[in-house]
Amino acid sequence: GESVGLHLPTLSVQEGDNSIINCAYSNSASDYFIWYKQESGKGPQFIIDIRSNMDKRQGQRVTVLLNKTVKHLSLQIAATQPGDSAVYFCAEDRDSSYKLIFGSGTRLLVRP
Amino acid sequence: DTAVSQTPKYLVTQMGNDKSIKCEQNLGHDTMYWYKQDSKKFLKIMFSYNNKELIINETVPNRFSPKSPDKAHLNLHINSLELGDSAVYFCASSEGGYSLGYTFGSGTRLTVV
Repeated sequence: GESVGLHLPTLSVQEGDNSIINCAYSNSASDYFIWYKQESGKGPQFIIDIRSNMDKRQGQRVTVLLNKTVKHLSLQIAATQPGDSAVYFCAEDRDSSYKLIFGSGTRLLVRP
Repeated sequence: DTAVSQTPKYLVTQMGNDKSIKCEQNLGHDTMYWYKQDSKKFLKIMFSYNNKELIINETVPNRFSPKSPDKAHLNLHINSLELGDSAVYFCASSEGGYSLGYTFGSGTRLTVV
């Protein structure tokens, strides 16, 4: 069956350090990937996306890397801040599938 | 202005009751969704509507019935609530079938006692 991501692990980082959150996907047909951030009591918020014809995309303090060979996606957060503490989800989509398939998320804790 | 709004934010009810959750989006999107997030934070799609037409029903019990009166609204009605229905339910919307501009509401925490 389809699956994205891992069981919910926790990543603890020191404020100011870089964070790397990883995600594995299993569906080779997926051509669009999104990272979401979910803070406590809120809905998932879009962070950054990447299409399968790219292997890297940068945003403000965030970078997404896509390795289609090993079906791996990562989110890098530079100079992690306390406000980055949240659960992060990767999600995959296929063209006109009308649904996102989510991974199980990673909890990021930022130590002051 | 809230882009995707859900009501209520919290819902506590007894087993066997029937309840509804409402969702409205002001983004002009054609597609709306209901997702369920369990206690382990796993998000799974339940339904998807495109221009008021049901296009995805992910083997959800028929006690759950979505209704879309227009493309800006997608409500979720649940009959005969069970303990296992306790979860956070998220509404979302997007432009068409591709996940462009996929936007989530803030969720409805349903607790069945």
